[in-house]
Amino acid sequence: GAVVSQHPSWVICKSGTSVKIECRSLDFQATTMFWYRQFPKQSLMLMATSNEGSKATYEQGVEKDKFLINHASLTLSTLTVTSAHPEDSSFYICSASVGGNTEAFFGQGTRLTVV
Amino acid sequence: AQSVTQPDIHITVSEGASLELRCNYSYGATPYLFWYVQSPGQGLQLLLKYFSGDTLVQGIKGFEAEFKRSQSSFNLRKPSVHWSDAAEYFCAVGATGGGNKLTFGTGTQLKVEL
Repeated sequence: GAVVSQHPSWVICKSGTSVKIECRSLDFQATTMFWYRQFPKQSLMLMATSNEGSKATYEQGVEKDKFLINHASLTLSTLTVTSAHPEDSSFYICSASVGGNTEAFFGQGTRLTVV
Repeated sequence: AQSVTQPDIHITVSEGASLELRCNYSYGATPYLFWYVQSPGQGLQLLLKYFSGDTLVQGIKGFEAEFKRSQSSFNLRKPSVHWSDAAEYFCAVGATGGGNKLTFGTGTQLKVEL
């Protein structure tokens, strides 16, 4: 159990376009989902926390208008990178939890390359 | 705010040798502590976690970690390393009230020599 799936696993897009990444909890209801970003050979940095049915909470320095997060259901959160630029190329990973003091389970990540 | 320090960026060990990866955390209350492993281009795999109770935690793949409150440490150990253990290892801390919201260390790249 506790499977989190991300789609797509990798995506290449042109500069200026938008890309949507999906994060699904397959066998549990995730009241809270987290989005992380990982630059090559670096650690994971939390971008935002999303709770089902409410606006996401963004970490300091993360542009909310550029990284749109929607958590419309208990099993799906989406991250949309708007007007993507090459510097947005990164590995994006989501995690999902039932909520509260419970473990979060990670998706397999999405490799975004903006050309 | 919590933070995690992994002092060793790279570690090289011979296959069959023992391994210890260091992790120090900073957090005011009892933390939730995790070790993850990441192979190149892959997602994260949870090795083990500490929430409470026994301070020596057993994980998958023969790994274990010991929570030492007095030293603010959660070092990862393995008695005999296999070539397949070569990967990036991340220590992470989760705050109470949100043990699922993690702060990661910078990672330790493990290389295994045959």
